[in-house]
Amino acid sequence: EAGVAQSPRYKIIEKRQSVAFWCNPISGHATLYWYQQILGQGPKLLIQFQNNGVVDDSQLPKDRFSAERLKGVDSTLKIQPAKLEDSAVYLCASSLESAGNTIYFGEGSWLTVV
Amino acid sequence: DQQVKQNSPSLSVQEGRISILNCDYTNSMFDYFLWYKKYPAEGPTFLISISSIKDKNEDGRFTVFLNKSAKHLSLHIVPSQPGDSAVYFCAAQHLKVTFGTGTKLQVIP
Repeated sequence: EAGVAQSPRYKIIEKRQSVAFWCNPISGHATLYWYQQILGQGPKLLIQFQNNGVVDDSQLPKDRFSAERLKGVDSTLKIQPAKLEDSAVYLCASSLESAGNTIYFGEGSWLTVV
Repeated sequence: DQQVKQNSPSLSVQEGRISILNCDYTNSMFDYFLWYKKYPAEGPTFLISISSIKDKNEDGRFTVFLNKSAKHLSLHIVPSQPGDSAVYFCAAQHLKVTFGTGTKLQVIP
């Protein structure tokens, strides 16, 4: 079974530029998550989708971050404009459902904003 | 407000001995707990989980203990192996999953 796929793996941009990350969850997984992990910290949930609806986006900086999950499968996370403090690993994850199910992570997209 | 805490940022253990990683939480609504292992430049990998209705779950060398009255869980690795060297995150779920800050385990050959 294929795991969670993410791209690109690495991205370096200048502040105020934009960037987009793509995620393809495990087939059949209804719930998709985007986490931000800053060096030395645990993953922080940015947004959680159940199929193509948003379940939780309370920690998403909506003035610069946006995410969508069209057709309830793939998802894209966009940052525009980027700030230096956005440098982090962006982890996509998926699970069968949202409660009491194991979350499976992709390898992450490493963003450096200079 | 950090609801899941891993107070030990690092731990060193000799190969073959027991590794004990600890995690405390504050939200009594958490009903599912997970441990993840993370190697550098990789995403977290699921290790073991436990429901709040249990107090112990075992999978091979890994055992998770849950003490709900103390709001504490621990991961025991016996025997520890050099390949276990990684960062370990505990996580707790109620509607959404909240992660701790991680403990870096080093198993010394």
